[in-house]
Amino acid sequence: AQKVTQAQTEISVVEKEDVTLDCVYETRDTTYYLFWYKQPPSGELVFLIRRNSFDEQNEISGRYSWNFQKSTSSFNFTITASQVVDSAVYFCALSEARDSGGSNYKLTFGKGTLLTVNP
Amino acid sequence: SQTIHQWPATLVQPVGSPLSLECTVEGTSNPNLYWYRQAAGRGLQLLFYSVGIGQISSEVPQNLSASRPQDRQFILSSKKLLLSDSGFYLCAWAAGYSGNTIYFGEGSWLTVV
Repeated sequence: AQKVTQAQTEISVVEKEDVTLDCVYETRDTTYYLFWYKQPPSGELVFLIRRNSFDEQNEISGRYSWNFQKSTSSFNFTITASQVVDSAVYFCALSEARDSGGSNYKLTFGKGTLLTVNP
Repeated sequence: SQTIHQWPATLVQPVGSPLSLECTVEGTSNPNLYWYRQAAGRGLQLLFYSVGIGQISSEVPQNLSASRPQDRQFILSSKKLLLSDSGFYLCAWAAGYSGNTIYFGEGSWLTVV
């Protein structure tokens, strides 16, 4: 069974600080996909990034960066120079590739980390 | 581009009343469709998913049911709501092949009183 652990329930930082959100996953599959979503107070889940298990390159997108390490089963998310608009709940998620046409895969979510960025 | 809509956005229903939440996807065909629930405490739980018209898989036994009468329409229903059905319900879609990103709708807040 797959599992995603986000050990940090809540994090509070002051604007312009860097912050890293941790994500540790468990899966028996060799092929899988990892995701991060942002949930602002409005409630909608916003997709941020998707990585597959064969691509361990770190990725940077503006102030966001992701560190994927298979050796430690971690997929951490760093926000550089945080801003008040970054305040949200952030979810890490995992899906396994299902071969039966591969069409019916599902996401397993962590419990989320509430990030509060104070001015 | 693809879009997903769900409604109503907010719903207050008495215990024992029926429920119908509707979700439609535009700009794609034969998507995988999902209903998730987020109760207090933030955890996201997959309730149902569908890979095609009339094909529904249930993840957990509960008081709810789902239907997919058309390719891009997904409906969450209940005949008699319980207090424990309160929560934030999210419809989502993904292109129908493995590993693809799931995109979520705006969500529906349900309060059962």
